Amino acid sequence: DQQVKQNSPSLSVQEGRISILNCDYTNSMFDYFLWYKKYPAEGPTFLISISSIKDKNEDGRFTVFLNKSAKHLSLHIVPSQPGDSAVYFCAASFSGSRLTFGEGTQLTVNP
Amino acid sequence: SQTIHQWPATLVQPVGSPLSLECTVEGTSNPNLYWYRQAAGRGLQLLFYSVGIGQISSEVPQNLSASRPQDRQFILSSKKLLLSDSGFYLCAQRVGQGQSLHFGNGTRLTVT
Repeated sequence: DQQVKQNSPSLSVQEGRISILNCDYTNSMFDYFLWYKKYPAEGPTFLISISSIKDKNEDGRFTVFLNKSAKHLSLHIVPSQPGDSAVYFCAASFSGSRLTFGEGTQLTVNP
Repeated sequence: SQTIHQWPATLVQPVGSPLSLECTVEGTSNPNLYWYRQAAGRGLQLLFYSVGIGQISSEVPQNLSASRPQDRQFILSSKKLLLSDSGFYLCAQRVGQGQSLHFGNGTRLTVT
């Protein structure tokens, strides 16, 4: 049972444009959501998170939006840079439980 | 600060051979530790987690096992590797009392 899904395995955008990465979840108990970024041959690094009491969290070029009614979250990167090219994982948890990860989306930012 | 050491970085092993991957962490006592696997084209799958010495919880039944002989040491093992065990193995540590994880750089295992 895949409780966190990233339906787009890949996304390609031009440098300077907006990248939008999407994530859907099925467990309504999830109350904390995170995005991780992963380069090849490295471990994932934490990027940004959001609690279910909020619908938006912003950190520099990165903004995460949460739509609880749709059980959907998205990560916006503006402007996109070539160094943003990586695999992005969304993850969710509830009440401090273990993180459940999505399958990941490969973002490619073209110069 | 938290530092996670994983070795080796890459490993090629024949089917049926044993496996031992080691993870050690610095900076925190009694950390919550995790083993994840990223298989080709798939997401991060939680394999084992540990809240203390000798305490191991398994998330997915398989031919892998984990042990925590010391507070800051977490070991992933197998007696006989299968082709399907190939993947990228990541050790992780919970960050403080929060819900995010800090990952090591992983081990790329190829079973031939």
